[in-house]
Amino acid sequence: EVQLLESGGGLVQPGGSLRLSCAASGFTFSNYAMSWVRQAPGKGLEWVSAISGSGGTYYADSVKGRFTISRDNSKNTLYLQMNSLRAEDTALYYCAKDPTKSDYYMDVWGKGTTVTVSS
Amino acid sequence: EIVLTQSPATLSVSPGERATLSCRASQSVKNYLAWYQQKPGQAPRLLIYDASNRATGIPARFSGSGSGTDFTLTISSLEPEDFAVYYCQQRYSWPLTFGGGTKVEI
Repeated sequence: EVQLLESGGGLVQPGGSLRLSCAASGFTFSNYAMSWVRQAPGKGLEWVSAISGSGGTYYADSVKGRFTISRDNSKNTLYLQMNSLRAEDTALYYCAKDPTKSDYYMDVWGKGTTVTVSS
Repeated sequence: EIVLTQSPATLSVSPGERATLSCRASQSVKNYLAWYQQKPGQAPRLLIYDASNRATGIPARFSGSGSGTDFTLTISSLEPEDFAVYYCQQRYSWPLTFGGGTKVEI
């Protein structure tokens, strides 16, 4: 069974940092692009970042320069390093798998990890 | 950035009725558009990709159509489990973007 399990969320002060992780299982992780998508409380979905199987990276303008996506294919794990966090980064963060090598849709989602930025 | 505008924001329908949801793009996305369903407290689920292809395991009552800037998700006969929020997403250009969602309610 294909599964994604996010971790690393929590409460952080404005200007602080967090690193989110997403452990993948049930598929050949290195063959698929992966994305991070967030959802602020009571709001819609917002794409944050994506990474191809070979490591090419893409970012939303709202996080460019502050967030870094990476992957460790040997550990089947996706990461999101979040620096200079702002109140508006408060959200549930999902990792999601691409249905193919690089379609950049999302066919499998984790349950999410919550990030709260507050003093 | 390509803006996706979904309408209506809320659609009130009854079980067994047909639901038609719209997604309009600010510029052409060809057919590179997906639809997702999200129920309260759950992660989104991929329904349709490339405008008209059903994802694995999605019932035939869900269908997608359109190309360019205008897209439609149709639920032919609503089941109780279909009441949810639906989002469209384009992958034609970076950054990827989602629409604001349509809530389908009783």
